[in-house]
Amino acid sequence: GQNIDQPTEMTATEGAIVQINCTYQTSGFNGLFWYQQHAGEAPTFLSYNVLDGLEEKGRFSSFLSRSKGYSYLLLKELQMKDSASYLCAVIADDYKLSFGAGTTVTVRA
Amino acid sequence: GAVVSQHPSWVICKSGTSVKIECRSLDFQATTMFWYRQFPKQSLMLMATSNEGSKATYEQGVEKDKFLINHASLTLSTLTVTSAHPEDSSFYICSARGDRDFYEQYFGPGTRLTVT
Repeated sequence: GQNIDQPTEMTATEGAIVQINCTYQTSGFNGLFWYQQHAGEAPTFLSYNVLDGLEEKGRFSSFLSRSKGYSYLLLKELQMKDSASYLCAVIADDYKLSFGAGTTVTVRA
Repeated sequence: GAVVSQHPSWVICKSGTSVKIECRSLDFQATTMFWYRQFPKQSLMLMATSNEGSKATYEQGVEKDKFLINHASLTLSTLTVTSAHPEDSSFYICSARGDRDFYEQYFGPGTRLTVT
């Protein structure tokens, strides 16, 4: 099976920066996704990395190192609405999404 | 584009009854649809993969006779929870994948099932 690890919880202050790490061990690799999920809602797409390096999209950036089996999601200029669960997911050789347990980010005023 | 809907958004049923959940791709043809289950404070767990016109492939530990999946058209897949029990209460989410981008899945809004 696939093994995807990310921290359970993180807390940060409004306006600050938070980095959510994700490590993975999978059978093959066809890309890594980050999703945001608010309570009671479905996940919404944030980013997709398949090549090494940093992808920047507004306040959110995602980094991938395939050799290290490592990714991070960087959230800048945190806003209260960013309080949510952030899911790291990998597509392996079977072309199915395997999700990490999710990181709950709480933004405090 | 790439909108997926689910119906109903929430449902309460009595133990022993069956519940059907619909997943529709509204503006694209979904050659593959996925069904996930999410328990409180846990991540999404893939239940099954369905391809239009063929039988669904279930993940290990998921009872195919209890969770019936039908993918009769390129825009509709249904999940029927048969003889539901309280332990089946969960958040069920479908996703759909088209044939243009093989890696991206588009998620429906989810269905909250409560079995009393």
